[in-house]
Amino acid sequence: EIVLTQSPATLSLSPGERATLSCRASQTIASNTLAWYQQTPGQAPRLLIYDGSNRATGIPARFSGSGSGTDFTLTISSLEPEDFAVYYCQQRNSWPRTFGQGTKVDIK
Amino acid sequence: EVQLLESGGGLVQPGGSLRLSCAASGFTFSTYAMTWVRQAPGKGLEWVSAISGSGGSTYYVDSVKGRFIISRDNSKNTLYLQMDSLRAEDTAIYYCAKETSSWGTFDYWGQGTLVAVSS
Repeated sequence: EIVLTQSPATLSLSPGERATLSCRASQTIASNTLAWYQQTPGQAPRLLIYDGSNRATGIPARFSGSGSGTDFTLTISSLEPEDFAVYYCQQRNSWPRTFGQGTKVDIK
Repeated sequence: EVQLLESGGGLVQPGGSLRLSCAASGFTFSTYAMTWVRQAPGKGLEWVSAISGSGGSTYYVDSVKGRFIISRDNSKNTLYLQMDSLRAEDTAIYYCAKETSSWGTFDYWGQGTLVAVSS
């Protein structure tokens, strides 16, 4: 099983600041097999980034994904109020599909 | 518009059974694989099971193998999760999700149904 470790657990930032979230895989995965999701309280997760770096439909350009091998990054270039949420990475490189434990982005 | 509506959750005693349903609309259901993901209270996301568009291929996380069965009825545009021998650690919100054409990414999610296993 591929374990995904996200860091930091919590990121405290102000609106307008840049957020950098990390996801590290326990083994090398293909870069096009990593996705990122956003979850706000009481809501279902929402797909943000798929295949490592492609924005899902309707996702603003301030969200970007990058990385390869075992290290992947989600960047939010300038935080908007609606971006304060929990973010999960997820791999589809192998079975079982696995998620990271999440990074909470909260308001400083 | 893609819509996924889960139902069937509730309170069940340890060792009991439940069947979850997920009614899909807004896309050609039989074309896409579907997935169940769960989230224990206050915890992160855990992938549970997936099924191909035809229903011919199924996959499970180890912790539910032999206890849960995923299935689908493409004539009814409905996904199911039969859960037997339920344990306290199965307590969670269960989400159904549509997979993209590149199997393994979940582009649409339902709002979830709560399963509570307790005596």
